[in-house]
Amino acid sequence: DVKVTQSSRYLVKRTGEKVFLECVQDMDHENMFWYRQDPGLGLRLIYFSYDVKMKEKGDIPEGYSVSREKKERFSLILESASTNQTSMYLCASRITGGEQYFGPGTRLTVT
Amino acid sequence: QKEVEQNSGPLSVPEGAIASLNCTYSDRGSQSFFWYRQYSGKSPELIMFIYSNGDKEDGRFTAQLNKASQYVSLLIRDSQPSDSATYLCAVNIVDSSYKLIFGSGTRLLVRP
Repeated sequence: DVKVTQSSRYLVKRTGEKVFLECVQDMDHENMFWYRQDPGLGLRLIYFSYDVKMKEKGDIPEGYSVSREKKERFSLILESASTNQTSMYLCASRITGGEQYFGPGTRLTVT
Repeated sequence: QKEVEQNSGPLSVPEGAIASLNCTYSDRGSQSFFWYRQYSGKSPELIMFIYSNGDKEDGRFTAQLNKASQYVSLLIRDSQPSDSATYLCAVNIVDSSYKLIFGSGTRLLVRP
């Protein structure tokens, strides 16, 4: 069974804080992704990584950065959290050309 | 911009009926197609994938792919209230083998 785990299900942070969201997958997938999902806006890709230390911007990278130091782990960093980053954050992993699996999601609230 | 289009719904069907969910895509070279189910407040769950033209059946679910017409559909037979969810279509585009393009989803309501 493919497993993608995320470090927190719910997170509350204050404006201006640095926020780390962690994602781990156990299927040796080379590709990992961070999305955010907001009502009425669907899934929006923030960043993805196709290999260790490699990253590419998605559709909405502003205000975010990522880190992939090990194949199984992909971190999303909010350098200075703002209220408009309140959202559901979803991590996913995928083998190239194959199926993509999502983690359970982190609901982040920035106050 | 490569696109994947879905009717947002809601699509309302009575319990026991067949629910038909449709998806069109713009990238003619797309090769891989996926259907996800997402319950409110939860993450998307992969339920079907299809790579070849024609039908693929898995239990009550059938995925249908027509590459010439650039559409993929999901049929749910004997619909149950527990099938009520948003269904996302996703397509692998040619110019990026890494990532999927997702539709905005169709909300399905199954009436008891």
